[in-house]
Amino acid sequence: QLQLQESGPGLVKPSETLSLTCVVSGDSISSSSYYWGWVRLAPGKGLEWIGSIFYSGSTYYNPSLKSRVTISVDTSKTHFSLRLTSVTAADTAVYYCARLPRGITYFDNWGQGTLVTVSS
Amino acid sequence: DIQMTQSPSTVSASVGDRLTITCRASQSISGWLAWYQQKPGRAPKLLIYKASSLDSGVPSRFSGSGSGTEFTLTISSLQPDDVATYYCQQYNSYSPLTFGQGTKVEIK
Repeated sequence: QLQLQESGPGLVKPSETLSLTCVVSGDSISSSSYYWGWVRLAPGKGLEWIGSIFYSGSTYYNPSLKSRVTISVDTSKTHFSLRLTSVTAADTAVYYCARLPRGITYFDNWGQGTLVTVSS
Repeated sequence: DIQMTQSPSTVSASVGDRLTITCRASQSISGWLAWYQQKPGRAPKLLIYKASSLDSGVPSRFSGSGSGTEFTLTISSLQPDDVATYYCQQYNSYSPLTFGQGTKVEIK
């Protein structure tokens, strides 16, 4: 059974870099059937797609965040990661990792989410 | 970017009622639309993809329809377990993925 689990610091200072990891179990990131991605939910806001990655390393980013975002996949293909630079309070959100079937489409399996607060 | 607009923002209905949520796209997305259910403190759950295809294990009281720019999610008989926020999401080719702002469903 597929499981995704986010991990990383729950508190990040303004102007610093947010780094999160998503460990995938029960399936292989190397499967050519799936993409993997990050979505966030800020307080009082709706869901926002951050970006997605294929096991080969091909990435697709939300243009609104593209200048600050890097998504990578590890060489052992057991996890993928998110880096968001120069964070502000507006980046405070619950961050979810998720799987996308059949390309840059919809999200069919999600991690439980991790809250990241940006504050000094 | 393609903007997704949901209505209403909040809806309150009785157990057993038929309930419909609408999602409108700022341009045609054919049938490339998904619906999610999110309960407080939980991850979103996929309900429907490709506008009308029910994901595995989703109760049959949920259904989706529409194409082009207008879509609906219908709950045929509202249950207490359906209290949640519902989001639509478009995945039209060559466009960033975008979500609607959400519709909160409450029980009267």
